[in-house]
Amino acid sequence: AQTVTQSQPEMSVQEAETVTLSCTYDTSESDYYLFWYKQPPSRQMILVIRQEAYKQQNATENRFSVNFQKAAKSFSLKISDSQLGDAAMYFCAYAHPGYALNFGKGTSLLVTP
Amino acid sequence: DTGVSQDPRHKITKRGQNVTFRCDPISEHNRLYWYRQTLGQGPEFLTYFQNEAQLEKSRLLSDRFSAERPKGSFSTLEIQRTEQGDSAMYLCASSLVEGRETQYFGPGTRLLVL
Repeated sequence: AQTVTQSQPEMSVQEAETVTLSCTYDTSESDYYLFWYKQPPSRQMILVIRQEAYKQQNATENRFSVNFQKAAKSFSLKISDSQLGDAAMYFCAYAHPGYALNFGKGTSLLVTP
Repeated sequence: DTGVSQDPRHKITKRGQNVTFRCDPISEHNRLYWYRQTLGQGPEFLTYFQNEAQLEKSRLLSDRFSAERPKGSFSTLEIQRTEQGDSAMYLCASSLVEGRETQYFGPGTRLLVL
């Protein structure tokens, strides 16, 4: 079975601080893609960042970066300089080429002023 | 690029009724996915199309569910004889075959079965 585990149901961070969301996954395949999606309350899912498994370099997108540890099957998301607009559910997901996304249960991020 | 759109955004129906949802993908995207998301859970895969061909269906897609993408553009998801357990958010996503597997999601259709 292919699974994605997000062990932190809820996280809280103060504005301007840094927070890291954890994700582990399980697959026996070597070719896959990893994603973090953000789902604000009552709003649609948007892509935050993606990582190809064959790339050793960690992906970064402005204030968002990942720590991809392939051997450990770990894919954490770091949000730097947190903003109030970062408050949302964050979902970790992976997909093999040509197949659907497998999602974790999500981490609810609260950003406090 | 107008993004993925879904219609309706909300649907309330009585148990036993049939409902149909529509998804319009990003225009050049040839892959279209349907997911279901229940409260407190991540989205779960239902089915997907490449152009007009339905390539995969999840075990979640019971016989009461049917999906079509007749001309390889928009798609419809129909649920017959709805049950209370069908209450969920139904999400549509689209991607390019050569698009490095990134899926772009629509706003979803929230279904409530009374």
